[in-house]
Amino acid sequence: QVQLQESGPGLVKPSQTLSLTCTVSGGSISSGSYYWSWIRQPAGKGLEWIGRIYTSGSTNYNPSLKSRVTISVDTSKNQFSLKLSSVTAADTAVYYCARDKSPGEFDYWGQGTLVTVSS
Amino acid sequence: QPVLTQPTSLSASPGASARFTCTLRSGINVGTYRIYWYQQKPGSLPRYLLRYKSDSDKQQGSGVPSRFSGSKDASTNAGLLLISGLQSEDEADYYCAIWYSSTVVFGGGTKLTVL
Repeated sequence: QVQLQESGPGLVKPSQTLSLTCTVSGGSISSGSYYWSWIRQPAGKGLEWIGRIYTSGSTNYNPSLKSRVTISVDTSKNQFSLKLSSVTAADTAVYYCARDKSPGEFDYWGQGTLVTVSS
Repeated sequence: QPVLTQPTSLSASPGASARFTCTLRSGINVGTYRIYWYQQKPGSLPRYLLRYKSDSDKQQGSGVPSRFSGSKDASTNAGLLLISGLQSEDEADYYCAIWYSSTVVFGGGTKLTVL
């Protein structure tokens, strides 16, 4: 059973960079033809896809965030990571990592981690 | 205009059926896309329910009961999620999603109240 777990600071100051890591267990991040995605959800609002990465390093990003987002993968650690730069209060949300079985089909999710942007 | 539009809320009675719509923006043909559906109960993470493109291209999520099904309405350019035999545990937010222009786009979600 694949499991994903997000980790990283729960509080980030405005204008700084948000950094999160997703650790995959129960299987190799490199096995199968899966992408690995980040998705966020502000409190009381809907889901927003941030972007995804394949283990080759190939990425796709949400155009609305593309200029600020970097997603990377470390297959040796079975992890993938998110960096979001120049954050503002609007970036406060629960951030989820998920396995992307096919574009839009997220079959496994992490529990989510709340990131608050505040000074 | 958003790529995907969902009604904010929907109410239905226990045992009845619920029909969720996910309308694609004009110019984006629903027939071309796989529509993915997710359920999110309060305080929980989203759960993948199913995908539907056509009767020959559809898939149920793991462990998802058959009373959840997908369809399309070409006349309104909408993807549909149908839940039959509603139960109180079905009360949740429901999101649709598509892969559009190399981006995953989610609808705004519909809150289902079972009363």
